[in-house]
Amino acid sequence: GAVVSQHPSRVICKSGTSVKIECRSLDFQATTMFWYRQFPKQSLMLMATSNEGSKATYEQGVEKDKFLINHASLTLSTLTVTSAHPEDSSFYICSARDRGGGGETQYFGPGTRLLVL
Amino acid sequence: QKEVEQNSGPLSVPEGAIASLNCTYSDRGSQSFFWYRQYSGKSPELIMSIYSNGDKEDGRFTAQLNKASQYVSLLIRDSQPSDSATYLCAVNFYGNNRLAFGKGNQVVVIP
Repeated sequence: GAVVSQHPSRVICKSGTSVKIECRSLDFQATTMFWYRQFPKQSLMLMATSNEGSKATYEQGVEKDKFLINHASLTLSTLTVTSAHPEDSSFYICSARDRGGGGETQYFGPGTRLLVL
Repeated sequence: QKEVEQNSGPLSVPEGAIASLNCTYSDRGSQSFFWYRQYSGKSPELIMSIYSNGDKEDGRFTAQLNKASQYVSLLIRDSQPSDSATYLCAVNFYGNNRLAFGKGNQVVVIP
């Protein structure tokens, strides 16, 4: 299957700082990437849809000014958590949609675990 | 509201048995269906995709799709302890470019 990478895998930061997470599709081009958040023992929650060359589409209740998304190329989307606070501590996972083979399969990155102190 | 439902609670199966997971969805026009496996603390991993009615087999996994009844299932044959994980059903609703996920079913394979 297609490979999606995320960097960093784990980050610890102080409250008030900003954190950037990168999501890359390594062997396919992804016009659409997705950002999810998952709290312990809870379901995946879609935060936003990232479209190459255009603005991201945010889900209801997700602050677009706090979670900045940039999809500058067909293989890279970034999520920046601005002025992070302890309640932003979570597991952030990206996925990239591969339209090859006639389907529309999403492949997930390994996730980024964020801890805000 | 379009939904994907996985209603059964944690499933415990003895090693070597068949684990059966079911998923129903609300949008009759849906075309693409996926099963993901998520180990604790890890991100989801795609294990099966299915687009047509009937069965699709891949190793010990079989996905079954019935569009008329709006359900998709996953069978895991010869269950192994390494199959212990949460299994997520995902549906690409018609006209929507994103996946809708069920809440997942936890499977525990007992040696």
